[in-house]
Amino acid sequence: DAKTTQPTSMDCAEGRAANLPCNHSTISGNEYVYWYRQIHSQGPQYIIHGLKNNETNEMASLIITEDRKSSTLILPHATLRDTAVYYCIVTGGATNKLIFGTGTLLAVQP
Amino acid sequence: DAGITQSPRHKVTETGTPVTLRCHQTENHRYMYWYRQDPGHGLRLIHYSYGVKDTDKGEVSDGYSVSRSKTEDFLLTLESATSSQTSVYFCAISKGQGLTGELFFGEGSRLTVL
Repeated sequence: DAKTTQPTSMDCAEGRAANLPCNHSTISGNEYVYWYRQIHSQGPQYIIHGLKNNETNEMASLIITEDRKSSTLILPHATLRDTAVYYCIVTGGATNKLIFGTGTLLAVQP
Repeated sequence: DAGITQSPRHKVTETGTPVTLRCHQTENHRYMYWYRQDPGHGLRLIHYSYGVKDTDKGEVSDGYSVSRSKTEDFLLTLESATSSQTSVYFCAISKGQGLTGELFFGEGSRLTVL
């Protein structure tokens, strides 16, 4: 499975859009990009996933670059409850398992 | 609510004792997983199951065994617990048809091995 690189931490002002980047330069053609988040001490929560087209759901938008080597998760109007660790995961290859890294700690500031 | 229950939620035990954690689901999904989470390591896959009696190893399977005798239950056993197995353990299910898809996680079981 392709490896991902995310910033260790980010801050965002409440009410503003939070843009979380992820690099996955070794992604292969059949691998998907998944995003999860984990609020302190809870189990991780699925947010969104995509293959090559941009995706949007009620929680967030996922923008994948045309070469698929990076992506951005967008929370359009961040709230304090969005403070969490966000994981970008690439999978779908030979092993097809979700392997979590250490993610990005997003701190939404009032 | 993803219909996942983990038990026990908290356990303190001593080195060398056996420990079994249970994951119970109410929706008969095929794929179930056990992860552990430790500071600085994120979540790491221990074992997973793709059906009754069908299991496979993940990244950190040494020292752990699993069993799935019925669809709704996936058991994680530490035959002889060690202090390095102090961790938070999460069970997850996949509601998709394949091995990945959306995973839904339980609330976690915090295990302390003294």
